[in-house]
Amino acid sequence: DAGITQSPRHKVTETGTPVTLRCHQTENHRYMYWYRQDPGHGLRLIHYSYGVKDTDKGEVSDGYSVSRSKTEDFLLTLESATSSQTSVYFCATLGGPNEKLFFGSGTQLSVL
Amino acid sequence: GQQVMQIPQYQHVQEGEDFTTYCNSSTTLSNIQWYKQRPGGHPVFLIQLVKSGEVKKQKRLTFQFGEAKKNSSLHITATQTTDVGTYFCAGRGGNQFYFGTGTSLTVIP
Repeated sequence: DAGITQSPRHKVTETGTPVTLRCHQTENHRYMYWYRQDPGHGLRLIHYSYGVKDTDKGEVSDGYSVSRSKTEDFLLTLESATSSQTSVYFCATLGGPNEKLFFGSGTQLSVL
Repeated sequence: GQQVMQIPQYQHVQEGEDFTTYCNSSTTLSNIQWYKQRPGGHPVFLIQLVKSGEVKKQKRLTFQFGEAKKNSSLHITATQTTDVGTYFCAGRGGNQFYFGTGTSLTVIP
């Protein structure tokens, strides 16, 4: 599997605080994605990147921003966390034969 | 926007029984991928289907892509406890992937 590291693995924060999640890959994959996973909703795309400084919105981008200053790093920022953003966040990269998604281990975020 | 529906949401089976999950898209897909997520884990790629009417097998797993490229299914024959997890389909539109809601499979020994 691709080397994808997410940090932190778990985070508890308070409503109104900014939060940044980090995704680091060692595979030099061009495309990177941030998904959130909630019961009954599957995986929903927040933002994705198709290169350094090139990003686009997904289906649930409100309240989130991203940055990609290096190929290997993709940051997801919650500008002002709300309880509705309590979720499991997965980072993924696109690569390999079949052009498949490789997922990180996820970040469990709780907003109190 | 593009929607991918998946049914059933949950399925409990006795070990040895068969299992099927179905995926339907509101639009024609260029291809469809299937992923498995073990409890507490992350999604892992299983297979990709590209051609209309394509059927692929991986041991006890059979994957089908519909003729219109709008639906797909995953069938597991004679389930085992190692099959436990959530199975997701993902339709590809450009470089975005639209995931179904997933089917959570429980296998009762």
